[in-house]
Amino acid sequence: DSGVTQTPKHLITATGQRVTLRCSPRSGDLSVYWYQQSLDQGLQFLIQYYNGEERAKGNILERFSAQQFPDLHSELNLSSLELGDSALYFCASTETGTTDTQYFGPGTRLTVL
Amino acid sequence: GNSVTQMEGPVTLSEEAFLTINCTYTATGYPSLFWYVQYPGEGLQLLLKATKADDKGSNKGFEATYRKETTSFHLEKGSVQVSDSAVYFCALKRTQGGSEKLVFGKGTKLTVNP
Repeated sequence: DSGVTQTPKHLITATGQRVTLRCSPRSGDLSVYWYQQSLDQGLQFLIQYYNGEERAKGNILERFSAQQFPDLHSELNLSSLELGDSALYFCASTETGTTDTQYFGPGTRLTVL
Repeated sequence: GNSVTQMEGPVTLSEEAFLTINCTYTATGYPSLFWYVQYPGEGLQLLLKATKADDKGSNKGFEATYRKETTSFHLEKGSVQVSDSAVYFCALKRTQGGSEKLVFGKGTKLTVNP
């Protein structure tokens, strides 16, 4: 158990809909990273937050957004969903924004029908 | 740019066989290198890491040596077990604009049969 929690574990929705994925980092970790894992693209970095502020952006679509709240949990919002958004979404946390080891949550499996 | 290339799987071995999963990288400077493992139905876990050239990372019988001259970080284990069945990801840490992020290879699925 990494100490990182993600909810829900599974999510099934329809095209065009909007969903919110939630991540709670390890106690004391200030930085949260979001990743998308799909069969064709592999594991892709989406976005990083550090202590409530966006720190780095990766391959995140404009239809996707994220935020980190004062209690340090983070939410990833996916809107106007398409079939191709079906994937596993992981979050990871680190104590600061610059440590080597990222601790991953168990992931949320999103299925868009 | 920074990238990681690892051998495509799947890899299927018998118990107690020797394992090598190749990983090479392209990067500016000398990035930290990692192997992460993803067991079925779980998130990724750090398996081992090396932060400078000639460092050897090791954990649970797995080893990898940071080879600057060949830009490689191959994962090895002398005798695999059924419980090692998982997907293995090679990664490097990239610094960009004051922030750091991991760049992952595509993953190699390992199946170990009894």
